[in-house]
Amino acid sequence: EVLLVESGGGLVQPGRSLRLSCTASGFDFDHYAMHWVRQVPGQGLEWVSGLTWDGSITAYADSVKGRFTISRDNAKNSLYLQMNGLRPEDTALYYCGKDALRAAGTPTEGWIDPWGQGTLVTVSS
Amino acid sequence: SYELTQPPSVSVSPGQTASITCSGHKLEDKYVFWYQQRPGQSPLVVIYQDNKRPSGIPERFSGSNSGDTATLTISETQALDEADYYCQAWDARTAVFGGGTELTVL
Repeated sequence: EVLLVESGGGLVQPGRSLRLSCTASGFDFDHYAMHWVRQVPGQGLEWVSGLTWDGSITAYADSVKGRFTISRDNAKNSLYLQMNGLRPEDTALYYCGKDALRAAGTPTEGWIDPWGQGTLVTVSS
Repeated sequence: SYELTQPPSVSVSPGQTASITCSGHKLEDKYVFWYQQRPGQSPLVVIYQDNKRPSGIPERFSGSNSGDTATLTISETQALDEADYYCQAWDARTAVFGGGTELTVL
């Protein structure tokens, strides 16, 4: 069974940093692109970032470009999201998701399957 | 930036067919994916690449994509289909989600 477990969320002041982690199991992690998607409670989904199976190609939403960095450690079956310069509008539930396409050359053509349960990030003073 | 537009809500009677639309400029040139999100749960893909069903998704779920509009169709709708549904496509190396449609089965 594929399992994705996010961690690292919490309450943080505006302007500060936070690092999210996603630990994967149940599949060959180093063969799949991965994504972060966020959702303000009660609102819609917003894709944040994705990267290829080897981390060589990354992509970001305009709303986080230059502030967030996605990375992965295939030896640890882990995905990360380093979030700097946090703003109140970054407050959301952050989901980790596995790309459905195996060994895709880009993180921007597949679909997300499955999703983790999410970790809540609250940016407030 | 590219936008996908969905109706905020759709209502359907049990056993009837529900159709949820997703509109975007020349959407037929892109693959569309549909996700179901039940209350308190994470999203789940129900249609990928316009009209393909993942294993485990009932045949009642189908998709199409033509012109500027993609459509998710749920036939013989059941109470357990009540959820929010989101369409998604890729544009300029960015995933774009529609605003979501709340499906009510009543």
